[in-house]
Amino acid sequence: DAKTTQPPSMDCAEGRAANLPCNHSTISGNEYVYWYRQIHSQGPQYIIHGLKNNETNEMASLIITEDRKSSTLILPHATLRDTAVYYCIVRENGGATNKLIFGTGTLLAVQP
Amino acid sequence: DGGITQSPKYLFRKEGQNVTLSCEQNLNHDAMYWYRQDPGQGLRLIYYSQIVNDFQKGDIAEGYSVSREKKESFPLTVTSAQKNPTAFYLCASKKGVSDNSPLHFGNGTRLTVT
Repeated sequence: DAKTTQPPSMDCAEGRAANLPCNHSTISGNEYVYWYRQIHSQGPQYIIHGLKNNETNEMASLIITEDRKSSTLILPHATLRDTAVYYCIVRENGGATNKLIFGTGTLLAVQP
Repeated sequence: DGGITQSPKYLFRKEGQNVTLSCEQNLNHDAMYWYRQDPGQGLRLIYYSQIVNDFQKGDIAEGYSVSREKKESFPLTVTSAQKNPTAFYLCASKKGVSDNSPLHFGNGTRLTVT
């Protein structure tokens, strides 16, 4: 079962910041939050991940709330090429799989 | 450039035939994974491997088989026992199963069985 909740779709104007929310209210203390995106007919692309501190790299920023029950991925200046499905994933704990459960994500449509 | 290569990009087969999808990585990663994606859905784990000559079933392993004879290679065979084989198949790798490093994905193979 997916452990995250995301809106199915969002729009964003080109050049503006895109803020994609994710709810992970059942996250446990040592579980990381990962963000990936998938452009149609391609493999998912890793964006960023974090545990409890905010993180930033060349692609995006990740803001995690203090209680860790939700996070926001920020694309600071969205371009048309950022149109994709964005997945927020929490690593499943327990067992040897350490697998990532992919839900259906948020389709971000960047408008010109 | 380091990465994961899946081939072919598109594959067509007749029902009742086995087909093998290739996945090669030059990232020196220990762990490799196979996922299946159906239209409008997330990814579902088929098989994964933590190390050479070892692999484990994921959530939907029935009708599939894998091998891991080399660190770089993790081919997936879709057998005739798989009831709905038409799908987008994604291979991924990461440094280790138990660490927090991200998954790296190939660009997928779209299999159509008629």
